[in-house]
Amino acid sequence: GDSVTQMEGPVTLSEEAFLTINCTYTATGYPSLFWYVQYPGEGLQLLLKATKADDKGSNKGFEATYRKETTSFHLEKGSVQVSDSAVYFCALSEGSGANSKLTFGKGITLSVRP
Amino acid sequence: GAGVSQTPSNKVTEKGKYVELRCDPISGHTALYWYRQSLGQGPEFLIYFQGTGAADDSGLPNDRFFAVRPEGSVSTLKIQRTERGDSAVYLCASSGQGITEAFFGQGTRLTVV
Repeated sequence: GDSVTQMEGPVTLSEEAFLTINCTYTATGYPSLFWYVQYPGEGLQLLLKATKADDKGSNKGFEATYRKETTSFHLEKGSVQVSDSAVYFCALSEGSGANSKLTFGKGITLSVRP
Repeated sequence: GAGVSQTPSNKVTEKGKYVELRCDPISGHTALYWYRQSLGQGPEFLIYFQGTGAADDSGLPNDRFFAVRPEGSVSTLKIQRTERGDSAVYLCASSGQGITEAFFGQGTRLTVV
């Protein structure tokens, strides 16, 4: 079945540091890939997505590129801020659009120090 | 409403009791999903509704779990004979036709004691 593997956490960085959060996946077809974020006290929110190979999703300074050859969708940000402290989930969907179930990784907690 | 609403936000129940968790999706969204998130884990799919019907219930762990969406809007997740292992945050999400994003509620934290 489908699965998503995220690097182990938690991750603690100083403000303005470079961030990489690794994500790899296993899927039978050609999934869409997502990063969701959960800020303290809030619900899950879509951060970015990519629907086909070599697509790059981007939002709020975060980027991730759909790499089919390495089955990866690593999340990067050049300069993190304290407000980026949250839990980040990588996910995939085999269906079309959002009308299909998501398979999530375990999530990783990011803490950014001032 | 403006977003997906889940009630209650917290529920504590005794082992063996019956519970109902409610999800009110974004108005007009036809697709509705239930997920379960255990401590330290990502959300796990339970069931997906398209309109009133359950299009995929492959994630329901056993026959103690059941969900309905009788009018294609509000959904209720029902758990019979609760067990301590059912303790988790239950998340609901909805999406609409032509919208490629699922919007999540804040979840119901269920604790079985």
